[in-house]
This record gives sequence, C-alpha cells and structure tokens, in this order.
Amino acid sequence: NAGVTQTPKFQVLKTGQSMTLQCAQDMNHEYMSWYRQDPGMGLRLIHYSVGAGITDQGEVPNGYNVSRSTTEDFPLRLLSAAPSQTSVYFCASSYDRTGLVTEAFFGQGTRLTVV
Amino acid sequence: AQSVTQLDSQVPVFEEAPVELRCNYSSSVSVYLFWYVQYPNQGLQLLLKYLSGSTLVKSINGFEAEFNKSQTSFHLRKPSVHISDTAEYFCAVIYNTDKLIFGTGTRLQVFP
Repeated sequence: NAGVTQTPKFQVLKTGQSMTLQCAQDMNHEYMSWYRQDPGMGLRLIHYSVGAGITDQGEVPNGYNVSRSTTEDFPLRLLSAAPSQTSVYFCASSYDRTGLVTEAFFGQGTRLTVV
Repeated sequence: AQSVTQLDSQVPVFEEAPVELRCNYSSSVSVYLFWYVQYPNQGLQLLLKYLSGSTLVKSINGFEAEFNKSQTSFHLRKPSVHISDTAEYFCAVIYNTDKLIFGTGTRLQVFP
C-alpha cells in the first residue's frame, strides 16, 4: 500500500514548455485534488475531482488542466509553463469530499521551477 | 468568502515551553476542522481533526486543539514542546461538506 505517489519529485521547465505531473493513489479514494504551495500563501486548491470522469476548478485553476479517467490517477497538466507557476505541487486524496471517512492523504510533492 | 486565518506566520519558542498556534475560520453552519504538520522537504501529515462530538481533540504526540464555535477558533496547543516539533503547521477547514481550504501556515521553531 503506497498511498499517494507523485512523480517527478523535481522538475525544471523553460517558459512555454508543457508537462504533466503524475499522481496515483491505491486506496480506492473517490476524492482527489491538486494544491500548490507558495511561501506565505499556504496551500491553494488548483483542481479537484469527486470521482472518475468528474473534475472541477479550485481557487487557482488558470494555466492548468486535469482529467480523471480512472479512480487511481489524477494527472495535472501545464500546457504552457510560466515563471509564475514555479511552486511546490501536492496531490491529495480522500474517501469523499467531506473527509468524514478519512482525512486527506498527501503525496510527497513536486518541486517545479520554470525559468 | 469562506477562509481560514492563521495570524502567526512564525512562532519561536524554547524547548519545554508551552505553545499555542492560532487558527480562526469563517462562521458557517457546519465545519470540519483539521491541523496538518509538514516537516522539512516532506508532504503534509494529519495531526488531529474535529468532525463532531467532544470539542477537545488530541494527537498521539501531545498536541491538542479545541473547537470553539462562539469564537470560530480551533487553536493548537502543546504544554511542552520538543526540538522535533519544529515544522510548519497548517490549519484546514471543510465548510458545508465542500472543498478542503488551508490557512497560510505557521512555522514553529523550537530552540534548545
């Protein structure tokens, strides 16, 4: 049981490049989400999903796309990277959006630098 | 807008001293409250949570938090901190069974 797995751990991109941050969970959780962590701003929700085939925007969705084709995977795509997207990204999952059955479990994070 | 406020961005304290990390949330019909801890270069781990029932909740490593509805607060306390408690602490709230919203974090620095 690996929990929430994020890849890669580190990434450097040039402005305008695209990439996908991978997130997988093996806990059969319905609810998955992506956050970005910036100094002094805490964790801000980018996108979330309440189940396969369903996604919705969070607080800071611009510049990011997501899809949820399976329960296990929730990739985050940067279509055209910008320096403002330099951040640490965390993926999280929980049984349902209320967290009543279990708390949110987090991956180890992806440190992204856009130059 | 619903929000979570952690007024203290940094809290320095000496080892074995008591500490309180403050968290306030927006008033709402129903809230679920959490404290997460993040050690350097790691992900977030749940420290404790309030879902219902007793307003005082405790963690296995000596932290406790009390849900105070009248003051819309969920402050985190520990009577005697250790060097190993040095970390960043995040308060988080689910309002009305919606998304999990985080505060900006408080960095606890414990000095010998």
